Amino acid sequence: AQSVTQLGSHVSVSEGALVLLRCNYSSSVPPYLFWYVQYPNQGLQLLLKYTTGATLVKGINGFEAEFKKSETSFHLTKPSAHMSDAAEYFCAVSEGGGTGRRALTFGSGTRLQVQP
Amino acid sequence: DTEVTQTPKHLVMGMTNKKSLKCEQHMGHRAMYWYKQKAKKPPELMFVYSYEKLSINESVPSRFSPECPNSSLLNLHLHALQPEDSALYLCASSQDHGIGPQHFGDGTRLSIL
Repeated sequence: AQSVTQLGSHVSVSEGALVLLRCNYSSSVPPYLFWYVQYPNQGLQLLLKYTTGATLVKGINGFEAEFKKSETSFHLTKPSAHMSDAAEYFCAVSEGGGTGRRALTFGSGTRLQVQP
Repeated sequence: DTEVTQTPKHLVMGMTNKKSLKCEQHMGHRAMYWYKQKAKKPPELMFVYSYEKLSINESVPSRFSPECPNSSLLNLHLHALQPEDSALYLCASSQDHGIGPQHFGDGTRLSIL
């Protein structure tokens, strides 16, 4: 079975401050990990993904995430928040390979607010 | 611009109506998905099609009927819905089921009167 826990349903930062959104996962097989962003009245947009290889993954809009197997974590960071980053962020996991649950399991989401 | 197109963007229907949601992608993806998303919640998987065959049905009530006419199109037929079915319905596609990230459309906002 796989699951995702996002710590903090709401995170508020000042414009220009570091953004840190936390995600921990559980998976019985090596996971594929994703971060998606959802703006109001829109679908989900892929920010970045980890499947294999380099554990530090860079995505769009200046975001990056690091896969830490020992901590079962995949936290999302951005050095300097911008007002346009305000949105809902979802961490998701699927079980890589042919035998695991390949469908996505989403975390409950974190709403990021950016204060001027 | 999203590469997965969903129509209509908004739909209001009564509980006795029959309507359909449509989804189209031209990325050559062979897996397509329907999700339901309630306000302030993550998407919930409803159906997965892989190579135009239904591979996952997450115990969805029969008033929701999916159809995949070809590799680019995915429909969701609606009949006799309940008020609790009001939600954002998202379509997604990926290279294959479990291969490659899923690309989402902007969804259909469905309201049941």
